[in-house]
Formats: sequence, structure tokens, C-alpha cells
Amino acid sequence: QKEVEQNSGPLSVPEGAIASLNCTYSDRGSQSFFWYRQYSGKSPELIMFIYSNGDKEDGRFTAQLNKASQYVSLLIRDSQPSDSATYLCAVNDAGNNRKLIWGLGTSLAVNP
Amino acid sequence: EAEVAQSPRYKITEKSQAVAFWCDPISGHATLYWYRQILGQGPELLVQFQDESVVDDSQLPKDRFSAERLKGVDSTLKIQPAELGDSAMYLCASSLTAGDTEAFFGQGTRLTVV
Repeated sequence: QKEVEQNSGPLSVPEGAIASLNCTYSDRGSQSFFWYRQYSGKSPELIMFIYSNGDKEDGRFTAQLNKASQYVSLLIRDSQPSDSATYLCAVNDAGNNRKLIWGLGTSLAVNP
Repeated sequence: EAEVAQSPRYKITEKSQAVAFWCDPISGHATLYWYRQILGQGPELLVQFQDESVVDDSQLPKDRFSAERLKGVDSTLKIQPAELGDSAMYLCASSLTAGDTEAFFGQGTRLTVV
């Protein structure tokens, strides 16, 4: 069973701090990695995607991928209360119709 | 801005009744997904379409759930009969290709079975 694991949280950080969210995956063949943000009662929306080893930055968000360690992370700099949400990690299943395998999500609370 | 349309937004139904959800993906998106999400959990894939063909329905409870995408565009998910445990958010998503590109989600249908 291919899996994506995330700490459920809640992760609590003060406003202005760096929030670090982590995700490990079991399928070594996975090529595409996605971070989605989901506010309570809303649908997931894409924050970042990354395909290559290393870092990818977009504004306050940085995704980090280490394929050797099967690890992908999301850093949120200068965290804002509006960042409070559940962050879902999704990884493609390279061998099974390329469907996305989802983690259970990490709940982030940014305290003013 | 293009978006995935879902209806209804909310549905309350009695157990043993039939219920149907509709989804219209972003134009040109070949891949369509139906997910079920229980509060506090990640999305669970129910069925994945590539154009009009089902490519994955391994987690679909086929004794009561059915899904179709007859012309490869919009899709319908049906539950008959509904059970109390089916209460959840049902999400439709679409993407240009499967697994390698961003999946865009609709607003979802919140189903409550009483």
C-alpha cells in the first residue's frame, strides 16, 4: 500500500514565524509532488508543486524535495493568521494510472 | 476564470434514498476525479476518469455507488441507497492530465444522511 504521511498537528506558530510542514512518501517512482491548502469547510487549493530535487520558492512559500530520503516539505515564512488551515500533501502514483495519493493533512494555527 | 462546477452545494437525504451529484470540469481537462472527504481526513479517491473511461474505481463501493462521464465532459456520481456513513463532503476535481499537473477542485457537495 503506497502511502503519504504527515503529522496531523495541530502545529501552532506565532505570527511572523516560519512554519515547517513535512511529508514523507513510500513510492520511490513518484515524480510529482503537490501541496494544497484547505480552509475549514472549503475545497483544497494548490499552493505549490515541485518535480525536481531541491527548493522551489513562490513568495512566502518554499517547497523542498529530497527524493533520496522520500521527503517533501513546505516552509511558510512570515506566517500570517490567514495561513491557518489544513495543508495536504499529495504525491503521484507513478505506476497506477498516475493517481494522486493524499496525506491526511497537517493543521496549522498561526496565532496573532 | 475557469472553474469546476458542482451541484448541489448541500444535500440532506434520508437513509435508503437515492442521491446524485453533478460535476462540470474545466473545459479541456481530460482527467476527472471524484473524491470523498470525511472531516479531519485527506481526500479519498472514489473514481478517476480519463475522458469517458474509468481508469480507477478500486475504492468505489460498487454495490451502492455509480459514476458516469458519458461524453467525456460532465459527470454524475450516484448513491443508492444512501447510508448514514455516507455523510461526507464529495469533491470533484479535474486536471489536464492525470497525476502530473494541478488538480482543480470544485466547491464540493456536503451530504448529510439522516
